[in-house]
Amino acid sequence: EVQLVESGGGLVKPGGSLRLSCSASGFTFSSYSMNWVRQAPGKGLEWVSSISSSSSYIYHADSVKGRFTISRDNAKNSLYLQMNSLRAEDTAVYYCARSPEEKTVASTAVYWFFDLWGRGTLVTVSS
Amino acid sequence: EIVLTQSPATLSLSPGERAALSCRASQSLSSYLAWYQQKPGQAPRLLIYDASNRATGIPARFSGSGSGTDFTLTISSLEPEDFAVYYCQQRRNWPLTFGQGTKVEIK
Repeated sequence: EVQLVESGGGLVKPGGSLRLSCSASGFTFSSYSMNWVRQAPGKGLEWVSSISSSSSYIYHADSVKGRFTISRDNAKNSLYLQMNSLRAEDTAVYYCARSPEEKTVASTAVYWFFDLWGRGTLVTVSS
Repeated sequence: EIVLTQSPATLSLSPGERAALSCRASQSLSSYLAWYQQKPGQAPRLLIYDASNRATGIPARFSGSGSGTDFTLTISSLEPEDFAVYYCQQRRNWPLTFGQGTKVEIK
């Protein structure tokens, strides 16, 4: 079955750290770019971070830049989000999401929309 | 940052009716717009990518149109399972951004 499964969420105090993981199965993980998207309780969707298939390209939202780091291990079919200096406003469900790539001899194009989502993991930042 | 404005915020319709949801961008997106559906307690699901391409497994009653700054998601005849929140998302520029969502509710 093609799926993404997030883990690592929980309750953490302001200023604390947490590492989220996303395990991929049912598809060739190393051929896709990956993303983290979050949703605060009762709010809309907010893009957080993206990483290309070979980790050559990495992007972070300004709201998390310098505090969060996205990474991946293609040998383990896993995506990660290291979150440091957490704030109350980081409280959200964090989704792992996949973006397709198209490879040619000359280049790789990434289609930065999200064609597969995990069920999410809840991060609560509170004292 | 590209701002996406969705309208209306809430759409109250009956099953069988046609729904038209709007997404307007603060600058041109060419066709780099996607639409998602989210039901309570569930992850979003991709419906449409690059303005008018249906994702795998999406019923034909869902269609997308538009280019530049004005886009529309149309549901030709609402089924009970279509009542949900819909988001648009642009991939024209970084940062990737979403609209605030349109809730389609049962009238």
